[in-house]
Order: sequence, then structure tokens, then C-alpha cells
Amino acid sequence: QVQLQESGPGLVKPSETLSLTCSVSGYSISTDYYWGWIRQSPGKGLEWIGSIYHTGGTNITSLKGRVTISIDSSKNQFSLKLTSVTAADTAVFYCARSRSSIGYFDLWGRGTLVTVSS
Amino acid sequence: EIVLTQSPATLSLSPGERATLSCRASQSVSSYLAWYQQKPGQTPRLLIYDASKRATGIPARFSGSGSGTDFTLTISSLEPEDFAVYYCQQRSNWPGTFGQGTKLEIK
Repeated sequence: QVQLQESGPGLVKPSETLSLTCSVSGYSISTDYYWGWIRQSPGKGLEWIGSIYHTGGTNITSLKGRVTISIDSSKNQFSLKLTSVTAADTAVFYCARSRSSIGYFDLWGRGTLVTVSS
Repeated sequence: EIVLTQSPATLSLSPGERATLSCRASQSVSSYLAWYQQKPGQTPRLLIYDASKRATGIPARFSGSGSGTDFTLTISSLEPEDFAVYYCQQRSNWPGTFGQGTKLEIK
């Protein structure tokens, strides 16, 4: 059974960098699929941040310039870095899997709440 | 960016009733539309993709229809576990976007 699990700090100070990791179990992420990050905040609903293909190619959406998504096949993990965070970046962050670069997400992690506050 | 508008924002129905949820796109997304269900404190679950195809393990009471700009999610007879928030998502144009959600609550 394939499972995704997010990890990282739950509290980040304004202007700092938010770093999250998604650990995948039950499937080798170097085999196939796109691996993405989605966030959910009360003000903006569900927002797709971006995805990375198993070969390392990335697609980043509206947060372009602040977002880096990377993959570590040796650890079967992929990661999100979001720089210069503000309170508006406070959200539940989910990692998820899709079959295409602009895809439907058929498998999600449980999500992790990240609060931006001093 | 394609904007998806869901209606109504809240739908109050009783178990056993039929639910009809709407998602309208600001421009055509062909049939590249999905529906997700999210219960409180839980992860979104893919219900329908490509407008009308049920995802693995989704009960037959859930059905999707539509193409172009107008889409509908129908739940034929509501079960207690169906009361949740439902989101639509398009993957036709970059970036894939989500609707703001419809909350289906018990009347």
C-alpha cells in the first residue's frame, strides 16, 4: 500500500524559509508519477503549488520564484522549500501523487499545518 | 488562469435524498475535470476524474457529468458518510485550479 507522509516544522518565522519533506512508502518514486505539493488555507482553499517528475523536472505554479521542489530518490522522498514566508503562507500543506504534469491527485498525504508567526 | 466556480456554497439535505453539485469553468476545460471529497480533518479523496469516470473504490451512487464549462456531481441517495466538502479541479490548462468548494451538510 502506497503512503505519503509530510514532515517539517509546524512554525516558521516571517521572512524565513519553510521546508517540508514528503516520505513515500510502498512505491519507488524513481519509477513513475509526478509528486506534488498542495496547500489549503481558509482564505484561498486548495492551491496547487507545484510538482516534480520522477526524473527531476519540475512544474511550479503561482509561487514561482519562491518555491523549490526537489527529489531524493535514494531516500524515496521529495521536498518543498518556500522562501520569504509571510502570514499569508500559513496553511495545511499536503504532498500528493498524480499521473501527469497537470494532473488529478489520486493519493494524498495526511497534511501538515505550517503556521507563519514570530 | 481558469477559475472554477462551485454552487451552491452550502447544500442542506437529508440522508436518502439526491444531491446535485455544480462546477462552472471560466473557459472550456473539455472533460478534464475532477471531483474530490474532503471530510473534516481528513485528506481530499479523488471521486471522479475526466468529468465522469469514478476513481477506484468509489461507490456507484457518485456520478459526474458535463463537458466544456458546466459540470455536475450527483450523489443519487445520500449516505451519512457523504456529508462533507466537495471540490472540483481542472487539469485542462496551466495551472490546474480548484474550485472553492461546496459544503454538503445534514438538514
